[in-house]
Parts: sequence; structure tokens; C-alpha cells
Amino acid sequence: DIQMTQSPSSLSASVGDTVTITCRASQNIDNYLGWYQQKPGKAPKVLIFSASTLQSGVPSRFSGSRSGTDFTLTISSLQPEDFATYYCHQTYSTVYTFGQGTKLEIK
Amino acid sequence: QVQLQESGPGLVKPSETLSLTCTVSGGSIGSYYWGWIRQPPGKGLEWIGYIHYLGNKYYSSSLKSRITISVDSSKNQFSLRLSSVTAADTATYYCARVRAPPGDGYYMDVWGKGTTVTVSS
Repeated sequence: DIQMTQSPSSLSASVGDTVTITCRASQNIDNYLGWYQQKPGKAPKVLIFSASTLQSGVPSRFSGSRSGTDFTLTISSLQPEDFATYYCHQTYSTVYTFGQGTKLEIK
Repeated sequence: QVQLQESGPGLVKPSETLSLTCTVSGGSIGSYYWGWIRQPPGKGLEWIGYIHYLGNKYYSSSLKSRITISVDSSKNQFSLRLSSVTAADTATYYCARVRAPPGDGYYMDVWGKGTTVTVSS
């Protein structure tokens, strides 16, 4: 199975900061990478798909990029509602896998 | 607007089979893949598997010996069966629609609210 190594596992930041979360795939996955946000007690919500395409309705402060097998989610100008857990998810192989998650907390 | 709703028992005994159904409303089950994801308490997301409305199915490597996913287009539903459950299968189970945009990537754009299943005697 393709392993997705996500870092950091947790992150503290302040409103207005810019933060970066990274996922590294264990092999090439082209752009078959999505980013999801999950708030406590809620289902995940897609933010980014195809590595860098912003889902409709998602604020433009969220962005995604790829460099080889490394993928990055950047959140600019953090807002209070952005404090949540974020997951990467590969769909390159028929056996999908998630990263371990990054919990973004208020400093 | 498409909505998904999971249903099934909230408590299952060890060694028995967990059965969940996801009902699709506001749209047709046709033309999409449909998936199951779970999340143990306090832990991350785990992909279980997914099925195309025509029946092609793909399962998690770690669970494939115990899972069956099926679709009933006439009822606009798809289902998950997980056999021989243990306490490790206690989790919130989500169903989701899998989209396939032009180019690379599949992603889940519509999710159910999740249903909590506890495995305990």
C-alpha cells in the first residue's frame, strides 16, 4: 500500500499566521492527493483535490502544491474557524490511504 | 443537493458481523463511486473501501478478508458488512461519495454525518 507520511502531527499558531502542512507519499502518486479538514464531532470536508485545485466554496487562503512526492497544504492568514485537524488522502492506487493527521491548535 | 445518511446498529458483539447502510437522497447513486471510511475514538481516518454503482469494488488491504461492500441501485443505497468484529473495530463509520474530476485525482465531496459503532459484549 502507498504510505502517506504527514507532518507535523500537531501545530500551534495564532490568528493571522500562515501555516504549512506536508504529506510525503511513499511512491509517485501524480496529483492524486486531496486535503480534508475535520472539526470535532463532524465529518471531514474536502478543501483541495488533485493536489492544488480548490474545492468550490473553500476560501482562497487555502492552497495546495506538489513537488515530486511531497505535497503541501498552506493556510494563509489563519482565521478562528481554521483550527481543526487536517488530513491528506491519496487516491492514486485502488487502495486509498490517509495521512495520520495534523491537529492545528490556537497558540 | 445530495445527502448521505448512515444507518445500522450502534452496538455489535465481538465475533459478530457489523452491517451498515448508507442511503443516498437528493440524487442518484448512478455514475459515482461510493466509499466507507472509519475513525476510531480519538484517532485518525482509515479508508475501508469503495464501490462503483455498477459493482466494481476495492477494499483496504488490512480489512479485505473481513469486509463486503455492496450497492442496491433500486434503493439508492450501498452497504458495508464487516465480519468477526473485535473492540478494535469500534469507531465512527462514515459513508461518502467519490468524485472523479477531469485529470488527476478522486476525492470525497459529500459525506454522511457518521454513525458510531461500539463492539462490546
